[in-house]
Amino acid sequence: GAVVSQHPSWVICKSGTSVKIECRSLDFQATTMFWYRQFPKQSLMLMATSNEGSKATYEQGVEKDKFLINHASLTLSTLTVTSAHPEDSSFYICSGVAVSSYEQYFGPGTRLTVT
Amino acid sequence: LAKTTQPISMDSYEGQEVNITCSHNNIATNDYITWYQQFPSQGPRFIIQGYKTKVTNEVASLFIPADRKSSTLSLPRVSLSDTAVYYCLVGDIENDMRFGAGTRLTVKP
Repeated sequence: GAVVSQHPSWVICKSGTSVKIECRSLDFQATTMFWYRQFPKQSLMLMATSNEGSKATYEQGVEKDKFLINHASLTLSTLTVTSAHPEDSSFYICSGVAVSSYEQYFGPGTRLTVT
Repeated sequence: LAKTTQPISMDSYEGQEVNITCSHNNIATNDYITWYQQFPSQGPRFIIQGYKTKVTNEVASLFIPADRKSSTLSLPRVSLSDTAVYYCLVGDIENDMRFGAGTRLTVKP
């Protein structure tokens, strides 16, 4: 199947700083990418849907000014957690929808720890 | 928005067949049914997808009745490495792909 990468795979940052997470579709083009957040022993929670070249659509309760999403190309989407706080510590997962097949492929996730 | 309901957890033994059922009473005409497997600290992995009737691939089968209000993922002869959380997603890929609670499958020796 198609491959989605995330970078970094894990990151530790201090409270108040910003962190950028990259999501790349390595061998397919993705018009739509989804960003999820997952807390321990919980399901994935959809944060936002991003379409290439347009603004992301955020789920209710997700602050768009805190979680900045950019989907500038068909192979790259970024999530920036601004002014991170300990409660933002979580596992962030992205997925891309292949243009050709409409199948969804998930990245390996990024573990964010805010101290 | 089709909500899904799955059992929270299931136990099985190596070599057995496991069937996990997902209820989705308000599935829409354009919705597909997709199952994913997730191991701890990893992204979900695609298992199988279907629209109606039966779909089979090298790892699983998916049974969907005519009314499409439920679906059953069948894993033949599970092994210890199949211990994971299994999610049933129902939706239109262009609109919403929200996860339900998932089913935590534990395979015992």
